[in-house]
Amino acid sequence: AQSVTQLGSHVSVSEGALVLLRCNYSSSVPPYLFWYVQYPNQGLQLLLKYTSAATLVKGINGFEAEFKKSETSFHLTKPSAHMSDAAEYFCAVSTYGGSQGNLIFGKGTKLSVKP
Amino acid sequence: KAGVTQTPRYLIKTRGQQVTLSCSPISGHRSVSWYQQTPGQGLQFLFEYFSETQRNKGNFPGRFSGRQFSNSRSEMNVSTLELGDSALYLCASSLLPGAPNTEAFFGQGTRLTVV
Repeated sequence: AQSVTQLGSHVSVSEGALVLLRCNYSSSVPPYLFWYVQYPNQGLQLLLKYTSAATLVKGINGFEAEFKKSETSFHLTKPSAHMSDAAEYFCAVSTYGGSQGNLIFGKGTKLSVKP
Repeated sequence: KAGVTQTPRYLIKTRGQQVTLSCSPISGHRSVSWYQQTPGQGLQFLFEYFSETQRNKGNFPGRFSGRQFSNSRSEMNVSTLELGDSALYLCASSLLPGAPNTEAFFGQGTRLTVV
């Protein structure tokens, strides 16, 4: 069975600092992994996805994530945080065929950005 | 192009009542999924529909049901509401199910409060 674990329910960084949000997965089959962002009172927006094509995945808004099979990790990074990055971030794994219609989500990490 | 539309945005119901939530997918999208988001349990998959057929179902009691119409619009119904059903219910639409390169687009959700 697939699962994801996000380390740290809250992360706080200063504007301009590196953003690192951690995600570890468990999967009995090659996983399809996703990062979503949720702003207050909004739905989820896809940031990026790993579908086995390349281990370093670039997404929107300057975010990227690296798939490391040996560490079962898919951490999300951004070199320089912006105030507008303050939101909740969710890592997810697809339960079959890479479909985004049936996802298992982590508990989420709330990112705060200090001026 | 219009996004995923969920109605109503907010709903207050009394314990024991039933409720119906609606989701209109992006035009041309035929797959609709539903998720429940609560502070305690996070995001949990409810069910997925494609071409009016339920393809997958999450681990929820039978009080939770759904359907999809021929125009791909979907409804979910919760009967005999309990306080624990208070949550944000998110709908996501995608072109086709089971395809890793098919992005799922989320609506803004329906915030259900059971009193």
